[in-house]
Amino acid sequence: AQSVTQLDSQVPVFEEAPVELRCNYSSSVSVYLFWYVQYPNQGLQLLLKYLSGSTLVKGINGFEAEFNKSQTSFHLRKPSVHISDTAEYFCAVSRFASYGKLTFGQGTILTVHP
Amino acid sequence: EAGVVQSPRYKIIEKKQPVAFWCNPISGHNTLYWYRQNLGQGPELLIRYENEEAVDDSQLPKDRFSAERLKGVDSTLKIQPAELGDSAVYLCASSLGRGGSYNEQFFGPGTRLTVL
Repeated sequence: AQSVTQLDSQVPVFEEAPVELRCNYSSSVSVYLFWYVQYPNQGLQLLLKYLSGSTLVKGINGFEAEFNKSQTSFHLRKPSVHISDTAEYFCAVSRFASYGKLTFGQGTILTVHP
Repeated sequence: EAGVVQSPRYKIIEKKQPVAFWCNPISGHNTLYWYRQNLGQGPELLIRYENEEAVDDSQLPKDRFSAERLKGVDSTLKIQPAELGDSAVYLCASSLGRGGSYNEQFFGPGTRLTVL
């Protein structure tokens, strides 16, 4: 079985500052990795995904994440945040050939202050 | 193209009452998922359908929960009777289909259930 740990439950940051949301995973087999964003009273939207290839992946809204196999991490970063980035962010993993079964972390609430 | 549609968006019921949630996936998507998201937690898979077949329902509490996906399109998730601990957001998602490779899941807005 696999598991996901998001190391920060809440991250406050000022507008235009950089931000990093941390995610570590545990799995005995190779996995796909994802970051989702959830705005209040909405469903989850895919920000970015790592399937294979380059370990640095870029997503929507200026976000990027780096897959580090040795540290089993997949941290999400943005160099300059906006007020509109305020939301909850979820890291998730899916085993190869698991037909898309996602295991999610507990979520990190990002609050961007003016 | 319309996204995943769920109804109702909100539901408040008293414990021991039955409740049902409806999901219409994206047209052409063969795989449908139901997740439960407790407050302050990430979503957890309840059941996955491939067309009309439930292929992974290991996390579905079968004593009170049931689901169906007639004709392999719309799906209904039912709880009978509801308990206080069932208060959560119930999310539906769909994807194109299986095959061992990656298929992006698209999520609906969810149904927020409050059991009093």
